[in-house]
Amino acid sequence: QQKVQQSPESLSVPEGGMASLNCTSSDRNFQYFWWYRQHSGEGPKALMSIFSDGDKKEGRFTAHLNKASLHVSLHIRDSQPSDSALYFCAASEHRGSALGRLHFGAGTQLIVIP
Amino acid sequence: GPKVLQIPSHQIIDMGQMVTLNCDPVSNHLYFYWYKQILGQQMEFLVNFYNGKVMEKSKLFKDQFSVERPDGSYFTLKIQPTALEDSAVYFCASSLGQGASGNTLYFGEGSRLIVV
Repeated sequence: QQKVQQSPESLSVPEGGMASLNCTSSDRNFQYFWWYRQHSGEGPKALMSIFSDGDKKEGRFTAHLNKASLHVSLHIRDSQPSDSALYFCAASEHRGSALGRLHFGAGTQLIVIP
Repeated sequence: GPKVLQIPSHQIIDMGQMVTLNCDPVSNHLYFYWYKQILGQQMEFLVNFYNGKVMEKSKLFKDQFSVERPDGSYFTLKIQPTALEDSAVYFCASSLGQGASGNTLYFGEGSRLIVV
């Protein structure tokens, strides 16, 4: 069973619009969450990390974390065609001396229509 | 930002042959990882590596897989022998500290392996 679920699978928004991506975890041990973005033919790049409940804003990107419901979201305002990519939610657990693997969701394909 | 370099970017290999994928991690990073991605889908954890040792591996890290980082050289993933189901893009990543402590993993551009 996947520990990190993402929705929707794909999302189309007009240029300048708001894109909202969702992520839910099934493992209460997860403490740290990231959003990664992967353009076609490239490796994933860390977009934002969020470790505390509430909102974290970086430019046009806002992440929200609710640890009680194990829900993370990413909102992209004023979406640009260059934002078109595969977005992954990723989480890791704090396990004492263990290194902790990064668990990825299946991804949301975002298409920004010019 | 920090760069992880991977060589080769693409490789086609006959089933049963050996392949070595090379990774040059970010220079001051201490923790290294390999992930597998099939058809632009989910990233699947294979293995993490620290201080010259495999610390954790997944069920996908078959007996035919091995990793090492001889001093001052590449962090490598070796598959011997290869099987058709090994066809995928393999991503190397590195981090300064433990991923479990909230340290960001930096990924390379990937090595696309096609086993025929």
